[in-house]
Order: sequence, then C-alpha cells, then structure tokens
Amino acid sequence: AQKITQTQPGMFVQEKEAVTLDCTYDTSDPSYGLFWYKQPSSGEMIFLIYQGSYDQQNATEGRYSLNFQKARKSANLVISASQLGDSAMYFCAMREAVAGYSTLTFGKGTMLLVSP
Amino acid sequence: NAGVTQTPKFQVLKTGQSMTLQCAQDMNHNSMYWYRQDPGMGLRLIYYSASEGTTDKGEVPNGYNVSRLNKREFSLRLESAAPSQTSVYFCASLQGAWETQYFGPGTRLLVL
Repeated sequence: AQKITQTQPGMFVQEKEAVTLDCTYDTSDPSYGLFWYKQPSSGEMIFLIYQGSYDQQNATEGRYSLNFQKARKSANLVISASQLGDSAMYFCAMREAVAGYSTLTFGKGTMLLVSP
Repeated sequence: NAGVTQTPKFQVLKTGQSMTLQCAQDMNHNSMYWYRQDPGMGLRLIYYSASEGTTDKGEVPNGYNVSRLNKREFSLRLESAAPSQTSVYFCASLQGAWETQYFGPGTRLLVL
C-alpha cells in the first residue's frame, strides 16, 4: 500500500483564487511529520510547510496552510490567493522514524497550473 | 553558505560505464540522503546516511553504492550504468529527525 497518496495528477486554478491540493497518508507510527515541497520547472525542491503529528494547530506559512485531519489521515495543502509563480509540481511527503533514523516518503505529486 | 551542492549537473553515460555523483553540504548536518526522481513516481530513496560512518539502503538501492566520506560529503556511485538508471538524482541533508530536509539542485543523468 502506498504511504502517501496524492489523487490529483493536475489542478487548474485562476490567479487570486484559493486551491487545495489533497494528500492522504498511511502510517501506524504515532510520531510522524508531514511536509509539502514545491518543484518549479527549474527542478529544485523548495520546502513549503511542515506539520508534526502531535501539533495541535494547523501549520501556516504565509499563503500556505496545511489542513491536518489526523483521524482521516489527510494533510491537504491550501494555497490562498494563487499567483502565476505558484505553477509547479507539489509533493506531499511523510517522515517516520524507522529504527531510530528518519526517512522521508514522497507522494507522486500534483501539477498545479495557475492561469491569468 | 551554499547549502547542498551536487556535481555534475548533467551527465550522459553509455551502458556499462561507471560514474560517481558528488554531494556536499555546509550546514553541519548529520544525515544525508540520495533520491531519484522519475516521471510519475515522485522521489524514491536510494540510500541514506544517518551520521558520518553509517549508510543504509532505502527503497531502490540496487545498482548503486554510496560513501559517506566525512560529515560534509556523501557520494553515489553507479558501477555499471543501465538505461533504467536514467533519472534525476537529488541529494538532501538534515540536522534532526523532525527538521526540514534541504535538497541540492539535482543531477540529470541519461544512460544510453
């Protein structure tokens, strides 16, 4: 079974609108972390936001917020007021502690296109 | 402070050739990672090194070897390249288990 599932291969949104990118995860570890990364066409991986499994509040970073629903095992990324520069591939990832070391598992990504 | 650097940026190999991808970080991080990224597959972990002197296999280690030369450097070696190893390779590092993982710019490898 996949540990990280991103069900939206592609999303379209108009500039200035909000968009939600879905991510569900699967783990039996009570302690884990959830990350979102952005990969623009230039190829680099840019960290956006992090949510720990014990964090009580949803994480926010500027226009990015993470809608964390622990019981549903979902960690959706919300981008408010989309900008043209938000067009990119977005990856959800989960960190679990395996044998004392942490590894990061990525979903397959969602391509977001922002139109004027 | 350059963060995580990778060399080379691009490489073309013929089947059976060998090469080493270099990665270095100047953030004094303990853990370093090698991933490959293929279309539609996301990033998959090849090998990681939790600390200097230790290395462990990830999800897709076959055909690769690694060396944690010192705290700064973590290299990935392809002993006999195959077309299936055509991919983009990312190196990453982090300090603690629950901190952000920083990525290098990637190496695009084409094996003919």
